[in-house]
Amino acid sequence: QKEVEQNSGPLSVPEGAIASLNCTYSDRGSQSFFWYRQYSGKSPELIMFIYSNGDKEDGRFTAQLNKASQYVSLLIRDSQPSDSATYLCAVNLLSNFGNEKLTFGTGTRLTIIP
Amino acid sequence: EAQVTQNPRYLITVTGKKLTVTCSQNMNHEYMSWYRQDPGLGLRQIYYSMNVEVTDKGDVPEGYKVSRKEKRNFPLILESPSPNQTSLYFCASSLKLDILAKNIQYFGAGTRLSVL
Repeated sequence: QKEVEQNSGPLSVPEGAIASLNCTYSDRGSQSFFWYRQYSGKSPELIMFIYSNGDKEDGRFTAQLNKASQYVSLLIRDSQPSDSATYLCAVNLLSNFGNEKLTFGTGTRLTIIP
Repeated sequence: EAQVTQNPRYLITVTGKKLTVTCSQNMNHEYMSWYRQDPGLGLRQIYYSMNVEVTDKGDVPEGYKVSRKEKRNFPLILESPSPNQTSLYFCASSLKLDILAKNIQYFGAGTRLSVL
């Protein structure tokens, strides 16, 4: 089982609709979770981070965390063509040496259809 | 401007010719890391450093070396590059990787390496 799993997509969503991206993780002890957006050929940029169970909203973006079920999701409301990108889920996992390290999923490619 | 700077941005080399990709950050960050990104495999960590003179292997360290002699610099060294190291490389830094702190990783613009 991969440590951080995402559906690779592509996920196609009509402009103006809600895009829903999901991520599951294996380490029940993980406590911090991040969503990064990456345009083709560019570096990842942070969109949201979440630490507590429940929802966290920032503009059109909402991150949802359910530690009991070990999943984290990202909702994008009123999707715009500029939201078309690959979305990376990242989780702080405990390494073999007791240090936390950020582990990324393989990403979900999102396409917003005008 | 706060940033992570990688050089070079693009590099084409031949098998066995040693190369170094530099990474520098101006944010006084303690934690720095190198990733490689390959289609279908996502971002995989090569090495990371918790502070000066403290480095550790990530998930795919084979064929790479790093050093952290100064806080701001974290070069990635390929002693004898091979074609399977052709990839897109990212350097990242954060104040510290603390699960209770709101620290995030800032990424450099990336280095696209081709080993022929």
